[in-house]
Amino acid sequence: EAGVAQSPRYKIIEKRQSVAFWCNPISGHATLYWYQQILGQGPKLLIQFQNNGVVDDSQLPKDRFSAERLKGVDSTLKIQPAKLEDSAVYLCASSLAEGSNSGNTIYFGEGSWLTVV
Amino acid sequence: AQSVTQLDSQVPVFEEAPVELRCNYSSSVSVYLFWYVQYPNQGLQLLLKYLSGSTLVKGINGFEAEFNKSQTSFHLRKPSVHISDTAEYFCAVSPLSASKIIFGSGTRLSIRP
Repeated sequence: EAGVAQSPRYKIIEKRQSVAFWCNPISGHATLYWYQQILGQGPKLLIQFQNNGVVDDSQLPKDRFSAERLKGVDSTLKIQPAKLEDSAVYLCASSLAEGSNSGNTIYFGEGSWLTVV
Repeated sequence: AQSVTQLDSQVPVFEEAPVELRCNYSSSVSVYLFWYVQYPNQGLQLLLKYLSGSTLVKGINGFEAEFNKSQTSFHLRKPSVHISDTAEYFCAVSPLSASKIIFGSGTRLSIRP
């Protein structure tokens, strides 16, 4: 079974530029997450989708971050304009729908590493 | 609300020695518990999970964890570590009523030959 796919793996941009990350979840997984992991910290949830609807985006800095999952499968996370403090790993993850027997196990991609200079 | 505390940011151990990584959690509702491992420059991989039943959970790579409800702990153990276990380990909780997962700040396990 294919895992969660993310691209690009690495990106270096200057502050005030924009960047977009793409994620393809595991087939059949209705729930998709974007996490931000700053060096030395645990992952922090940015946004959670259930199919193509937003379940939780309370920690998404909406003045500069946006995410969409138009067809309930792939998702894109965009940052515009980027700040130095946005340097982090952006992890996409997916899980079966709420209430499934998987016990909320969440499967992660390898991450997109962003450096803002 | 839920929170996770990993008491040690770094744990150095000698190869073939036992190790315990500590995790305590706080929650007003019942939760599922997880340990994830992150190898250098990689994403997170599930080590083990506690959903219900036996409080001793066995995972991959020889790791196990014990759920202690009275102490709200879920410590991770391995009787004999290898160099390949060098990684960052994250404890996490997920409320039964939702799919969200909350992570601790991580424990970096470094193995000395």
